[in-house]
Amino acid sequence: EVQLVESGGGLVQPGRSLRLSCIGSGFSFGDYGLSWVRQAPGKGLEWVAFISSRTFDETTEYAASVKGRFTVSRDSSKSIAYLQMNSLTTEDTAVYFCTRERQWLGYHFDHWGQGTLVTVSS
Amino acid sequence: DIQMTQSPSSLSASVGDRVTITCRASQSISSFLNWYQQKPGKAPKLLIAAASTLQSGVPSRFSGSGSGTDFTLTITSLQPEDFATYYCQQSSSRPKVTFGPGTKVDIK
Repeated sequence: EVQLVESGGGLVQPGRSLRLSCIGSGFSFGDYGLSWVRQAPGKGLEWVAFISSRTFDETTEYAASVKGRFTVSRDSSKSIAYLQMNSLTTEDTAVYFCTRERQWLGYHFDHWGQGTLVTVSS
Repeated sequence: DIQMTQSPSSLSASVGDRVTITCRASQSISSFLNWYQQKPGKAPKLLIAAASTLQSGVPSRFSGSGSGTDFTLTITSLQPEDFATYYCQQSSSRPKVTFGPGTKVDIK
């Protein structure tokens, strides 16, 4: 069974940093691209960051709203991905989901973690 | 950036009703359109990929259609477990994908 489990969320002050983790199991972790998607309280879904599979050299992309502040990385030998979040603002308060990208008839997120809540507040 | 809109933003329906949700892209995305269902406190679940391909395990009362800029999600005979929020998502500009704002389906 494919599983993605996020951790690392919590309460953090504006301007500080936080690192989220996503552990995958039940599939060949390194063979899939991964995205982080967030959802602010009561709001819709926002794509945040992407890291490609090892086949594609683990290249990264970011949403404009986080570029330069967030860094996505992965250690496929440990089946874990990270989202390093720096210079956090209250606008970053959200549940952060780790998702697996499947390439078949286009691209879609076929598996999601349960999410981890990040609250940025003084 | 490709913008996605959905209509309506919310709707009230009864069990057994036919429900149609519309999603529109700001430019042509071919069939690179996915639909997700999200229930409160849960992660989204993929329902339909590539505009019309039902995912394994998803009931056949769900269907999707469209291409280019206009897409629809239809639920025939709404069931109690279908009350949720539905999001469309374009993957034409992958990996920089965008989601629609969502359509909340609740009980009339």
